[in-house]
Amino acid sequence: GNSVTQMEGPVTLSEEAFLTINCTYTATGYPSLFWYVQYPGEGLQLLLKATKADDKGSNKGFEATYRKETTSFHLEKGSVQVSDSAVYFCALYSGGYQKVTFGTGTKLQVIP
Amino acid sequence: NAGVTQTPKFQVLKTGQSMTLQCAQDMNHNSMYWYRQDPGMGLRLIYYSASEGTTDKGEVPNGYNVSRLNKREFSLRLESAAPSQTSVYFCASSERSGAYEQYFGPGTRLTVT
Repeated sequence: GNSVTQMEGPVTLSEEAFLTINCTYTATGYPSLFWYVQYPGEGLQLLLKATKADDKGSNKGFEATYRKETTSFHLEKGSVQVSDSAVYFCALYSGGYQKVTFGTGTKLQVIP
Repeated sequence: NAGVTQTPKFQVLKTGQSMTLQCAQDMNHNSMYWYRQDPGMGLRLIYYSASEGTTDKGEVPNGYNVSRLNKREFSLRLESAAPSQTSVYFCASSERSGAYEQYFGPGTRLTVT
């Protein structure tokens, strides 16, 4: 079946540091890939997505590139802010009647 | 435009009690979902409704029932609560099933003692 593996957290960074959160997947076919973000006390919200190989999704300074050869979709941001502190979920959808599969989430804490 | 709303926000139940979690969306979405979120487990799909009038089991349906009351509302019922159902429950909706953005409610934190 489908699966998503994320790096374990928590990840603690100083403000303005470079962020990478790793995500790899196993899926049949050619999945669509997503990053969702969950701020404290809230539900998840879509951060960015990519629907085919080599696509780059971007939003709010975050980027992720769909790498089919390495089955990866790593999340990056050049300079994090305290307001980026949240839990980040990688997810995939592989088509047809399959449902979206979420990773376990990576907590990011940014300190001033 | 409230998006996805859930009630209640918090609930404490004793083992064996029943309750219904309510969810409503005002975005005219066809598909709706119930997830549970547990530490280290991420989100797991309990039930979903691809369209009004249909419901299907997800990954962890045991101990739960759902009703898609109309296009807007999708409720989750625990008939006889167990401590293993202590979790945070999220309702979500999307325009259609598949690679469409899911919009999440704020969650219900349920504790079963």
